[in-house]
Amino acid sequence: EPEVTQTPSHQVTQMGQEVILRCVPISNHLYFYWYRQILGQKVEFLVSFYNNEISEKSEIFDDQFSVERPDGSNFTLKIRSTKLEDSAMYFCASKRDRALWLGANVLTFGAGSRLTVL
Amino acid sequence: SQKIEQNSEALNIQEGKTATLTCNYTNYSPAYLQWYRQDPGRGPVFLLLIRENEKEKRKERLKVTFDTTLKQSLFHITASQPADSATYLCALLNYGGSQGNLIFGKGTKLSVKP
Repeated sequence: EPEVTQTPSHQVTQMGQEVILRCVPISNHLYFYWYRQILGQKVEFLVSFYNNEISEKSEIFDDQFSVERPDGSNFTLKIRSTKLEDSAMYFCASKRDRALWLGANVLTFGAGSRLTVL
Repeated sequence: SQKIEQNSEALNIQEGKTATLTCNYTNYSPAYLQWYRQDPGRGPVFLLLIRENEKEKRKERLKVTFDTTLKQSLFHITASQPADSATYLCALLNYGGSQGNLIFGKGTKLSVKP
């Protein structure tokens, strides 16, 4: 079964450092997402990406965050200057098509990247 | 703003019994609702979707109901097994979102004892 692959599985970094989290979505999917989950909290939406641009972002996704799809297969999340409160699991997700009202908004998630900021 | 509440943080049951998990929502009239399973340290995995015009949906030992009057969905696992132990999340489409990002509940952690 096709999978969303995320690397690294765990990254430890010092506060203020830049971090890049990588994702390889399912190959025929067109919509890509990043979510995060702080330990013990809800899974929260960060950003959606379609047709090589951000289509929507949450309040969490401030100027410290950026996303790109550099080569047609990878989808990356960059945090420019990490803060302690950025420590969380970051999940990449993808879906094939728009079809919101047909209930096709089912996302396939990766296993996540655990980010620990010291 | 839209809110999803999963009333129980944890539910402990005996193997073979039926687990029933509750999801309530407010300030919203969703066209559909989804249930996901999340294992520790893993991403959510889609289980079932139920539309607003469907009262009930089944998949093997799983059953979901959707009551738009009560603004509630119930998720049942019949003949539960220890392998069903996980956190179960309900999710709704963020109606204000253009690309349909999902709002998740905090989840109910189910433990099935042998």
